[in-house]
Amino acid sequence: GDSVTQMEGPVTLSEEAFLTINCTYTATGYPSLFWYVQYPGEGLQLLLKATKADDKGSNKGFEATYRKETTSFHLEKGSVQVSDSAVYFCALSPSGNTGKLIFGQGTTLQVKP
Amino acid sequence: ETGVTQSPTHLIKTRGQQVTLRCSSQSGHNTVSWYQQALGQGPQFIFQYYREEENGRGNFPPRFSGLQFPNYSSELNVNALELDDSALYLCASSSPGRIRLAALPGTQYFGPGTRLTVL
Repeated sequence: GDSVTQMEGPVTLSEEAFLTINCTYTATGYPSLFWYVQYPGEGLQLLLKATKADDKGSNKGFEATYRKETTSFHLEKGSVQVSDSAVYFCALSPSGNTGKLIFGQGTTLQVKP
Repeated sequence: ETGVTQSPTHLIKTRGQQVTLRCSSQSGHNTVSWYQQALGQGPQFIFQYYREEENGRGNFPPRFSGLQFPNYSSELNVNALELDDSALYLCASSSPGRIRLAALPGTQYFGPGTRLTVL
Protein backbone atom coordinates (compact mmCIF):
# COMPACT_ATOMS: atom_id res chain seq x y z
CA GLY A 1 0.00 0.00 0.00
CA ASP A 2 0.88 3.66 -0.12
CA SER A 3 3.39 4.87 2.46
CA VAL A 4 5.66 7.76 3.46
CA THR A 5 9.14 7.51 4.97
CA GLN A 6 10.90 10.43 6.63
CA MET A 7 14.42 10.78 7.90
CA GLU A 8 14.69 9.98 11.57
CA GLY A 9 15.21 12.75 14.03
CA PRO A 10 15.79 14.62 16.06
CA VAL A 11 17.56 17.12 13.85
CA THR A 12 19.49 19.74 15.83
CA LEU A 13 20.74 22.85 14.05
CA SER A 14 22.14 26.22 14.98
CA GLU A 15 20.19 29.32 14.02
CA GLU A 16 20.72 30.38 10.38
CA ALA A 17 21.83 26.88 9.34
CA PHE A 18 20.50 25.18 6.20
CA LEU A 19 17.77 22.61 6.73
CA THR A 20 16.93 19.49 4.76
CA ILE A 21 14.41 16.92 5.93
CA ASN A 22 14.19 13.95 3.59
CA CYS A 23 10.88 12.42 2.59
CA THR A 24 10.27 9.59 0.16
CA TYR A 25 7.01 7.96 -0.73
CA THR A 26 5.54 4.83 -2.25
CA ALA A 27 2.29 5.24 -4.11
CA THR A 28 0.50 4.23 -7.27
CA GLY A 29 -0.54 6.84 -9.73
CA TYR A 30 -0.13 10.52 -8.96
CA PRO A 31 -0.58 11.39 -5.28
CA SER A 32 -0.63 14.91 -3.89
CA LEU A 33 2.17 15.65 -1.41
CA PHE A 34 2.16 17.79 1.71
CA TRP A 35 4.32 19.02 4.56
CA TYR A 36 2.59 19.71 7.86
CA VAL A 37 4.17 21.23 10.98
CA GLN A 38 3.17 20.60 14.58
CA TYR A 39 4.31 23.01 17.27
CA PRO A 40 4.43 21.79 20.88
CA GLY A 41 0.95 21.23 22.28
CA GLU A 42 -0.80 22.16 19.04
CA GLY A 43 -2.50 20.46 16.11
CA LEU A 44 -1.12 20.18 12.60
CA GLN A 45 -0.67 23.18 10.35
CA LEU A 46 -0.31 22.90 6.60
CA LEU A 47 3.11 24.22 5.62
CA LEU A 48 3.13 23.61 1.87
CA LYS A 49 1.83 21.27 -0.81
CA ALA A 50 2.40 20.09 -4.37
CA THR A 51 -0.13 18.33 -6.52
CA LYS A 52 1.83 17.17 -9.56
CA ALA A 53 5.31 16.20 -10.63
CA ASP A 54 7.90 19.01 -10.68
CA ASP A 55 5.62 21.35 -8.71
CA LYS A 56 7.42 23.32 -6.02
CA GLY A 57 5.52 24.15 -2.87
CA SER A 58 6.77 27.05 -0.77
CA ASN A 59 5.77 28.96 2.36
CA LYS A 60 7.55 30.94 5.09
CA GLY A 61 10.95 30.28 3.51
CA PHE A 62 10.39 26.51 3.31
CA GLU A 63 10.40 24.75 -0.06
CA ALA A 64 9.82 21.24 -1.38
CA THR A 65 9.77 19.93 -4.95
CA TYR A 66 7.66 16.98 -6.08
CA ARG A 67 10.16 14.60 -7.72
CA LYS A 68 8.36 11.69 -9.30
CA GLU A 69 11.53 10.11 -10.72
CA THR A 70 12.98 9.74 -7.22
CA THR A 71 9.60 9.56 -5.42
CA SER A 72 10.76 12.28 -3.06
CA PHE A 73 9.50 15.52 -1.53
CA HIS A 74 12.37 16.81 0.58
CA LEU A 75 11.79 19.88 2.77
CA GLU A 76 14.41 22.65 2.69
CA LYS A 77 14.97 26.03 4.26
CA GLY A 78 17.97 28.23 3.70
CA SER A 79 18.22 29.76 7.18
CA VAL A 80 16.35 28.31 10.14
CA GLN A 81 15.22 30.25 13.19
CA VAL A 82 14.60 29.16 16.78
CA SER A 83 10.88 29.59 16.10
CA ASP A 84 11.07 26.81 13.47
CA SER A 85 11.57 24.24 16.23
CA ALA A 86 8.70 21.79 15.81
CA VAL A 87 7.79 18.36 14.44
CA TYR A 88 7.50 18.16 10.65
CA PHE A 89 5.31 15.59 8.92
CA CYS A 90 5.43 14.60 5.28
CA ALA A 91 2.13 13.28 3.94
CA LEU A 92 0.50 12.10 0.75
CA SER A 93 -3.05 11.93 -0.49
CA PRO A 94 -3.46 8.92 -2.77
CA SER A 95 -4.41 9.49 -6.38
CA GLY A 96 -8.07 9.05 -7.13
CA ASN A 97 -8.96 11.20 -4.15
CA THR A 98 -9.62 8.56 -1.53
CA GLY A 99 -10.09 11.37 0.93
CA LYS A 100 -7.36 10.46 3.38
CA LEU A 101 -3.84 11.55 4.20
CA ILE A 102 -1.04 9.08 4.83
CA PHE A 103 1.63 10.50 7.11
CA GLY A 104 5.25 9.77 7.77
CA GLN A 105 6.41 9.28 11.33
CA GLY A 106 7.50 12.88 11.76
CA THR A 107 10.89 14.54 12.20
CA THR A 108 11.64 16.68 15.22
CA LEU A 109 13.65 19.83 14.49
CA GLN A 110 15.39 21.69 17.29
CA VAL A 111 17.06 24.99 16.46
CA LYS A 112 19.50 26.41 19.00
CA PRO A 113 20.38 30.11 19.27
CA GLU B 1 -5.59 29.38 13.11
CA THR B 2 -7.69 27.13 10.89
CA GLY B 3 -11.17 27.70 12.25
CA VAL B 4 -11.55 24.01 13.09
CA THR B 5 -12.46 23.51 16.74
CA GLN B 6 -12.51 20.37 18.86
CA SER B 7 -13.88 19.53 22.29
CA PRO B 8 -12.96 18.63 24.87
CA THR B 9 -9.28 19.53 24.96
CA HIS B 10 -8.37 16.74 27.34
CA LEU B 11 -10.23 13.68 28.54
CA ILE B 12 -9.46 10.87 30.96
CA LYS B 13 -11.41 7.62 30.81
CA THR B 14 -11.03 4.12 32.15
CA ARG B 15 -10.78 0.92 30.17
CA GLY B 16 -14.14 -0.33 28.92
CA GLN B 17 -15.83 3.06 28.96
CA GLN B 18 -17.21 4.91 25.95
CA VAL B 19 -16.18 8.36 24.74
CA THR B 20 -17.53 10.97 22.31
CA LEU B 21 -15.28 13.60 20.78
CA ARG B 22 -16.61 16.60 18.86
CA CYS B 23 -15.42 18.66 15.95
CA SER B 24 -16.71 21.81 14.27
CA SER B 25 -15.45 22.25 10.76
CA GLN B 26 -14.22 25.43 9.16
CA SER B 27 -16.96 27.54 7.65
CA GLY B 28 -17.86 26.36 4.16
CA HIS B 29 -16.21 22.94 4.56
CA ASN B 30 -18.44 19.90 4.07
CA THR B 31 -15.91 17.14 4.64
CA VAL B 32 -14.50 16.03 7.98
CA SER B 33 -11.75 13.48 8.60
CA TRP B 34 -10.61 11.98 11.88
CA TYR B 35 -7.08 10.84 12.74
CA GLN B 36 -5.46 9.13 15.70
CA GLN B 37 -1.96 10.26 16.65
CA ALA B 38 -0.16 8.09 19.16
CA LEU B 39 2.72 9.64 21.07
CA GLY B 40 5.76 10.08 18.84
CA GLN B 41 3.96 8.85 15.72
CA GLY B 42 2.35 10.34 12.66
CA PRO B 43 -1.44 10.61 12.51
CA GLN B 44 -3.35 7.54 11.32
CA PHE B 45 -6.54 7.96 9.27
CA ILE B 46 -9.65 6.68 11.04
CA PHE B 47 -12.46 7.72 8.66
CA GLN B 48 -13.93 10.59 6.70
CA TYR B 49 -17.45 11.98 6.42
CA TYR B 50 -18.81 13.84 3.40
CA ARG B 51 -22.32 15.27 3.49
CA GLU B 52 -23.27 13.08 6.47
CA GLU B 53 -22.08 9.81 4.92
CA GLU B 54 -18.92 7.83 5.65
CA ASN B 55 -16.56 8.28 2.72
CA GLY B 56 -13.61 6.03 3.45
CA ARG B 57 -12.27 4.24 6.49
CA GLY B 58 -8.83 3.30 7.71
CA ASN B 59 -7.75 0.18 9.55
CA PHE B 60 -9.73 0.74 12.74
CA PRO B 61 -12.22 -1.67 14.37
CA PRO B 62 -15.99 -1.06 14.33
CA ARG B 63 -15.95 0.22 17.90
CA PHE B 64 -14.67 3.44 16.30
CA SER B 65 -17.72 5.10 14.78
CA GLY B 66 -18.71 8.55 13.67
CA LEU B 67 -21.45 10.93 12.71
CA GLN B 68 -21.68 14.07 10.67
CA PHE B 69 -24.53 16.52 11.18
CA PRO B 70 -26.35 18.77 8.68
CA ASN B 71 -24.18 21.71 9.77
CA TYR B 72 -21.13 19.53 8.90
CA SER B 73 -19.93 19.24 12.48
CA SER B 74 -18.90 15.74 13.46
CA GLU B 75 -18.52 13.30 16.33
CA LEU B 76 -16.12 10.44 16.89
CA ASN B 77 -17.36 7.71 19.21
CA VAL B 78 -15.17 5.01 20.67
CA ASN B 79 -16.74 2.13 22.58
CA ALA B 80 -15.09 -0.35 24.93
CA LEU B 81 -11.99 1.79 25.38
CA GLU B 82 -8.62 0.07 25.51
CA LEU B 83 -5.35 1.34 26.91
CA ASP B 84 -3.93 1.62 23.37
CA ASP B 85 -6.66 4.11 22.48
CA SER B 86 -4.74 6.72 24.46
CA ALA B 87 -3.71 9.26 21.84
CA LEU B 88 -4.29 12.70 20.38
CA TYR B 89 -7.39 12.64 18.19
CA LEU B 90 -7.32 15.12 15.35
CA CYS B 91 -10.17 16.36 13.25
CA ALA B 92 -9.59 17.92 9.84
CA SER B 93 -12.01 19.67 7.53
CA SER B 94 -11.59 20.31 3.83
CA SER B 95 -12.99 22.76 1.34
CA PRO B 96 -15.91 21.79 -0.85
CA GLY B 97 -14.50 19.41 -3.36
CA ARG B 98 -15.44 17.26 -6.26
CA ILE B 99 -14.75 14.21 -4.18
CA ARG B 100 -17.21 11.98 -5.91
CA LEU B 101 -15.68 12.89 -9.28
CA ALA B 102 -12.22 11.77 -8.13
CA ALA B 103 -10.76 15.22 -8.59
CA LEU B 104 -7.89 16.56 -6.54
CA PRO B 105 -8.66 16.47 -2.82
CA GLY B 106 -9.30 19.61 -0.91
CA THR B 107 -6.51 20.55 1.45
CA GLN B 108 -7.28 19.37 4.98
CA TYR B 109 -7.13 21.86 7.83
CA PHE B 110 -6.62 20.44 11.30
CA GLY B 111 -8.07 21.33 14.66
CA PRO B 112 -5.96 21.44 17.84
CA GLY B 113 -6.94 17.91 18.84
CA THR B 114 -8.38 16.12 21.86
CA ARG B 115 -5.91 14.34 24.13
CA LEU B 116 -7.54 11.10 25.35
CA THR B 117 -5.98 9.16 28.19
CA VAL B 118 -7.32 5.69 29.00
CA LEU B 119 -6.39 4.34 32.41
